[in-house]
Amino acid sequence: DAGITQSPRHKVTETGTPVTLRCHQTENHRYMYWYRQDPGHGLRLIHYSYGVKDTDKGEVSDGYSVSRSKTEDFLLTLESATSSQTSVYFCAIRQTYEQYFGPGTRLTVT
Amino acid sequence: DQQVKQNSPSLSVQEGRISILNCDYTNSMFDYFLWYKKYPAEGPTFLISISSIKDKNEDGRFTVFLNKSAKHLSLHIVPSQPGDSAVYFCATQDPLSYGGSQGNLIFGKGTKLSVKP
Repeated sequence: DAGITQSPRHKVTETGTPVTLRCHQTENHRYMYWYRQDPGHGLRLIHYSYGVKDTDKGEVSDGYSVSRSKTEDFLLTLESATSSQTSVYFCAIRQTYEQYFGPGTRLTVT
Repeated sequence: DQQVKQNSPSLSVQEGRISILNCDYTNSMFDYFLWYKKYPAEGPTFLISISSIKDKNEDGRFTVFLNKSAKHLSLHIVPSQPGDSAVYFCATQDPLSYGGSQGNLIFGKGTKLSVKP
């Protein structure tokens, strides 16, 4: 257990509404990541952070933004949710060469 | 194009037998590989890793083999147990992220293992 929590765990929202997912860690890890998991696609990197206020894009960053104002929190925002963003979202931290994941947020956009 | 390929979407094995999960990669620059296990409604959990300076790494019932010339790695589970039933992801570190030491991972699509009692 790497002390990672995600909130909310489940969310249903309507197309066009903004959504923010939160990842919280308790062990002061520098690197944090947001992934989405979809059937037939495995895990795909959305954005990552290498420190407070230091973030960069991953493979599937379109339609998403992130912020990291404190070491312990990494927020993922969907500015205007679309049905294609229905997915399970995982946050991760990096410890040496491995990444450790949170429990996930299941987001449904109707 | 997929850089990490797990060509078998599913695998079914009898309890007590060996499970072999395969993974192929395209870039000879990849030099660190990881396996993750994922149960439904949970986050992936790190299982075992291997560096390219080795060709084998063992941890209990789990062994990972790396064949660099073939750009292939495999995860062996012996003996398989019903609790091993999960989706297994192969991953590697993205060398393009090395410059900043970001440690970004590239994942395969996963193989669903079912171990039958």
